[in-house]
Amino acid sequence: QKEVEQNSGPLSVPEGAIASLNCTYSDRGSQSFFWYRQYSGKSPELIMSIYSNGDKEDGRFTAQLNKASQYVSLLIRDSQPSDSATYLCAVNPGGGNEKLTFGTGTRLTIIP
Amino acid sequence: DTEVTQTPKHLVMGMTNKKSLKCEQHMGHRAMYWYKQKAKKPPELMFVYSYEKLSINESVPSRFSPECPNSSLLNLHLHALQPEDSALYLCASSQMEGNTIYFGEGSWLTVV
Repeated sequence: QKEVEQNSGPLSVPEGAIASLNCTYSDRGSQSFFWYRQYSGKSPELIMSIYSNGDKEDGRFTAQLNKASQYVSLLIRDSQPSDSATYLCAVNPGGGNEKLTFGTGTRLTIIP
Repeated sequence: DTEVTQTPKHLVMGMTNKKSLKCEQHMGHRAMYWYKQKAKKPPELMFVYSYEKLSINESVPSRFSPECPNSSLLNLHLHALQPEDSALYLCASSQMEGNTIYFGEGSWLTVV
């Protein structure tokens, strides 16, 4: 059973601080990794994709991938109340199995 | 704004009704997906079409019937649904199967 695990939260972070969201996956051969943001009552919106070990930055968001540890994280700098949402980690195993596996999501609340 | 358009946004149907959910994308993507999402759960894959052919069917009950009339359109035909089928139905597309997935805004379905 290929799994993607996230802490369901809720994770509360003061406005202006760094929010750190973590995700682990079980399939060592996984190729592609994604973070989606989902506001309550809305559909998932792609925030970041990452394919290689290391950091990838986009504005206030940084994705970090460590394939040896089977760990992917999302850092949100200068957190804003508008960042309050559920963050879904998704992993594509690749290698012929192209079915995206989602974690259960982490609910993030930014406290003004 | 998402470039994957879903209609209707909301649908209420009786258990004996026949209805359809529609999805359209104009990004030239060749893979299209239907997901089902229940409250506080991650999206669950239902069907994948790749180059207009059904690629993945996740053992979905036959009361859900997908159709891909062309590379831009994806329908989900609904018949004799149960109240437990009430959920957010998400259409998504990607350049090819396995690439980054982009979701539409979703169709909220309530079965009464």
